Order: sequence, then C-alpha cells, then structure tokens
Amino acid sequence: KAGVTQTPRYLIKTRGQQVTLSCSPISGHRSVSWYQQTPGQGLQFLFEYFSETQRNKGNFPGRFSGRQFSNSRSEMNVSTLELGDSALYLCASSLRTGGDTEAFFGQGTRLTVV
Amino acid sequence: AQSVTQLGSHVSVSEGALVLLRCNYSSSVPPYLFWYVQYPNQGLQLLLKYTSAATLVKGINGFEAEFKKSETSFHLTKPSAHMSDAAEYFCAVSEAAGNKLTFGGGTRVLVKP
Repeated sequence: KAGVTQTPRYLIKTRGQQVTLSCSPISGHRSVSWYQQTPGQGLQFLFEYFSETQRNKGNFPGRFSGRQFSNSRSEMNVSTLELGDSALYLCASSLRTGGDTEAFFGQGTRLTVV
Repeated sequence: AQSVTQLGSHVSVSEGALVLLRCNYSSSVPPYLFWYVQYPNQGLQLLLKYTSAATLVKGINGFEAEFKKSETSFHLTKPSAHMSDAAEYFCAVSEAAGNKLTFGGGTRVLVKP
C-alpha cells in the first residue's frame, strides 16, 4: 500500500512569489491535514480537509490556503512568500476525522524562500 | 487550548541504557495522546497512541508510554537504547473532534556507543 506522497520534495522560491504544494493521501483516506515545521516554531497545524471541506484551521495568515479534491488529493498554496515561510511542510492523511485517528505523514516538501 | 510540554530538547543515552522522554499535556477534557518519531529528512512515524483504553501503551520498536491523569503526563520509555533510536521524538495531543495535532517542541535523542 503506497504511503502519503508529497510533491515536490524540495522547492526554492523568491520572496513575493506564490507556491503550490501537493499531497496524495493513502488510498481510501479521506482526511488530509497540513503542518509547518520550522526550527523556531516547531510543528504547527495549518488546516485539515475532510471530504473536500475545511474542517479546522490553524493560526496562520490568509496567505496560506488549501483545498481538497474529490479524489482526496490536497494542495496548499502560499501567496506572497516571505523569508519566514521557509520550512518543511508536512501532509498527513487519516482514514477518517476524529481525535483518536492515526495520522500517516508524508516525507514533506522543504520550501526555501530567498 | 491544548498544549504539550516536552522536558529536554536533547537527551543523550548510552547504547543499552534506558531511554526516558518526558511529556506533559494540558487539556480540559480527556485527551488523545501520541508519540511520533522523525528521522532526518523524513516525515513523522507513529510510535504509539493513548485513546482512553489501557493506561500503559505499547508501541513499535520496543517503546511504551504510561498515561498518568493525576500528573497530566505521558512519558515515553524504552528499556534498552539501540543506535537506530537516534532521532527526534514528538509528543502530541489531539482534540476529540477533527485531526488537529498539537505537538510538543520535540526531544532529539543521541545514542552513544
């Protein structure tokens, strides 16, 4: 069974640009969550999508957005990139939504903003 | 709001020695608690989870954790460290609804031969 696939693995962008990251969940999983990991702030929740609907959102500015497609694949978009957006972005998929559900993480996309 | 505190950002243990990683949580309701491990340039892998069944939870790779409500703790242990245990470990708490995980700051484990 294939795991969570995130593309691309590495990305370099310039300040002010926008970027789109992609996440393909495990087959049959309907929930996708996104996290930002930085040395200073650690792991922070961005948002969760379930059945194409945003279920929960973390404390990030509106420049961070996401969506989920009917096949459960998800994308997140960051507009007007800032240097502080440099981070490892992790996607996690779960079979269903619910606090006791195991989340399976992808390897992440490492975004560098220069 | 829920929060998680991991005591010690770095822990150094000798191969074969006990591994003890501390985690305390703050939650107004009975929580779901998790321990994840992250190897360099990798995502997170679930070690174990507590979901209100047995208070002593056994996970993969010989790890276990004990939920102590009175101490609001969920410490992770492994009796005998192996070189392959060198990684960063994260404790996390989840709300009852949804899949939002709140993580602690992480503890990096170094295993000395």
